[in-house]
Amino acid sequence: ELKVEQNPLFLSMQEGKNYTIYCNYSTTSDRLYWYRQDPGKSLESLFVLLSNGAVKQEGRLMASLDTKARLSTLHITAAVHDLSATYFCAVDGGAQKLVFGQGTRLTINP
Amino acid sequence: NAGVTQTPKFQVLKTGQSMTLQCAQDMNHEYMSWYRQDPGMGLRLIHYSVGAGITDQGEVPNGYNVSRSTTEDFPLRLLSAAPSQTSVYFCASSDRGLTNEKLFFGSGTQLSVL
Repeated sequence: ELKVEQNPLFLSMQEGKNYTIYCNYSTTSDRLYWYRQDPGKSLESLFVLLSNGAVKQEGRLMASLDTKARLSTLHITAAVHDLSATYFCAVDGGAQKLVFGQGTRLTINP
Repeated sequence: NAGVTQTPKFQVLKTGQSMTLQCAQDMNHEYMSWYRQDPGMGLRLIHYSVGAGITDQGEVPNGYNVSRSTTEDFPLRLLSAAPSQTSVYFCASSDRGLTNEKLFFGSGTQLSVL
């Protein structure tokens, strides 16, 4: 059974700092997705990572995938308040089933 | 372009009542799915469909039914509501399954079962 674990679950950081969110998964998969959710809102797709070594960047966010280590990272560079949200990773569990991590609630303070 | 539309946005039920959560998409997506979101547990897949007439169970299907008579619509039925089904429900769709496409999510339905 595929398990997806994120850490940390809660992260409070200052503007201008860098940090990384980690997403580990338990069984082989070549597809991993990152989503953002603002409070009371729906989920918005950030990145789709489809192969080992894939790296995607959008603004201050960069995501990477290491399928051999079963690990994806979401790196935040020079954080700004607008990035405060909950971030989810999700792994393709086969048979078109997506398994989500618990989410990382990120708060960025001025 | 409306994307994925869910109704209602909020619903309160009494234990034992039944209801249907509606989901419609106008992107001609083949793949549609229902998730529930509970605090600290991420999203869990309830049911999914890879096309009209085809549905299958996800991780937490008990107490829920689905059908897919058209490409556009994928309703979720609660047969006899229980307090454990209090949650936020999201419908999502994508093109060509998950081979290389992201999921588009609806705005969610907040359901409380008393």
